[in-house]
Amino acid sequence: GNSVTQMEGPVTLSEEAFLTINCTYTATGYPSLFWYVQYPGEGLQLLLKATKADDKGSNKGFEATYRKETTSFHLEKGSVQVSDSAVYFCALNSPQGAQKLVFGQGTRLTINP
Amino acid sequence: GAGVSQSPSNKVTEKGKDVELRCDPISGHTALYWYRQSLGQGLEFLIYFQGNSAPDKSGLPSDRFSAERTGGSVSTLTIQRTQQEDSAVYLCASSSQGYNEQFFGPGTRLTVL
Repeated sequence: GNSVTQMEGPVTLSEEAFLTINCTYTATGYPSLFWYVQYPGEGLQLLLKATKADDKGSNKGFEATYRKETTSFHLEKGSVQVSDSAVYFCALNSPQGAQKLVFGQGTRLTINP
Repeated sequence: GAGVSQSPSNKVTEKGKDVELRCDPISGHTALYWYRQSLGQGLEFLIYFQGNSAPDKSGLPSDRFSAERTGGSVSTLTIQRTQQEDSAVYLCASSSQGYNEQFFGPGTRLTVL
């Protein structure tokens, strides 16, 4: 079945540091890949997505590239801010059937000033 | 326009009681999903409704869980004879079509004593 494995946290960085959160997946067919973010006290929000191999999703300075050869979708940001502190979830959905999201376990990111 | 809304935001119940959780999707969205977020299991898919099609119930953890969607809009998730392991945040999401971005509600935090 489909599954997502992401880097376990918590991750703590200083402001302006470079961020990478690793995400790999197992899926049949060609899923779409997503990063969702959950800020403290708020609901899940879509951060970025990519729907086919080699696509790069980007938003708010974050980027992730759909790598079919390594089945990965790592999240990166060149210079993090305190406001990026949140829990980040990698997810996929299958182009067949219900398109339900399969999530990784989440990575809690804390950015210190 | 209004986002996905859920009620109640918090629910505390005693073991063995039944609970109903409500979701109002974004107007016009044909697809509706329920997920559960718990410490031990992360984010798990529960059930999916798409238009007038039969729901995909493959994620429901036991026959104590059921859901309905009336008139293609509001959905109710019912948990009968609640157990302590049902304690979690129950999230609802909707999308305009199954393959598009899912918009999440703020969730209902259920605590079973």
